Amino acid sequence: GAVVSQHPSRVICKSGTSVKIECRSLDFQATTMFWYRQFPKQSLMLMATSNEGSKATYEQGVEKDKFLINHASLTLSTLTVTSAHPEDSSFYICSALPGQGDEKLFFGSGTQLSVL
Amino acid sequence: GNSVTQMEGPVTLSEEAFLTINCTYTATGYPSLFWYVQYPGEGLQLLLKATKADDKGSNKGFEATYRKETTSFHLEKGSVQVSDSAVYFCALTTNQAGTALIFGKGTTLSVSS
Repeated sequence: GAVVSQHPSRVICKSGTSVKIECRSLDFQATTMFWYRQFPKQSLMLMATSNEGSKATYEQGVEKDKFLINHASLTLSTLTVTSAHPEDSSFYICSALPGQGDEKLFFGSGTQLSVL
Repeated sequence: GNSVTQMEGPVTLSEEAFLTINCTYTATGYPSLFWYVQYPGEGLQLLLKATKADDKGSNKGFEATYRKETTSFHLEKGSVQVSDSAVYFCALTTNQAGTALIFGKGTTLSVSS
């Protein structure tokens, strides 16, 4: 079946640094990718929706200047957490939607971000 | 607003035991309901889904029935295996394209032999 590769799986960084998380669709083209965040013992929360070649749509309460999303190609979307702080420590998961007509979502394995 | 509530884990069972993971939802309109599973080190995978009341989704021995009267979509399996150990997420969407998913917190299932 379709595979979505998310990298890195775990990252530890110092407060104030920026971290980039990559999400790649390995065997299909993803017109739309989604980024979710899950705090401990909480639900996965949709952060933003990105469409290839256009600006991402952010959910209410998500800072677009802090969580930069780039979807420059049909197989790659990146999430950059800028000037990360300890409260940004969370589990980030991407998902990808193949082209029109296929509603099935494929998920990456997630990235555990820890900001010291 | 729309939300999903699922039972807190972890759930620990012996092999061949019966499994139930409860899931209830709050939604406007008529949502589609899903169960996703995440095995260790892997991404979430769709396990089963139901798109209207009284539908039963089933896959790999798991079943869940869309109960509109109780706003529930409980996951069941008659005889669990060690390989079923994973995190299970209940989710809904009111978006016809099935993309804007709202998830529960996830329930960790651990099955021992």
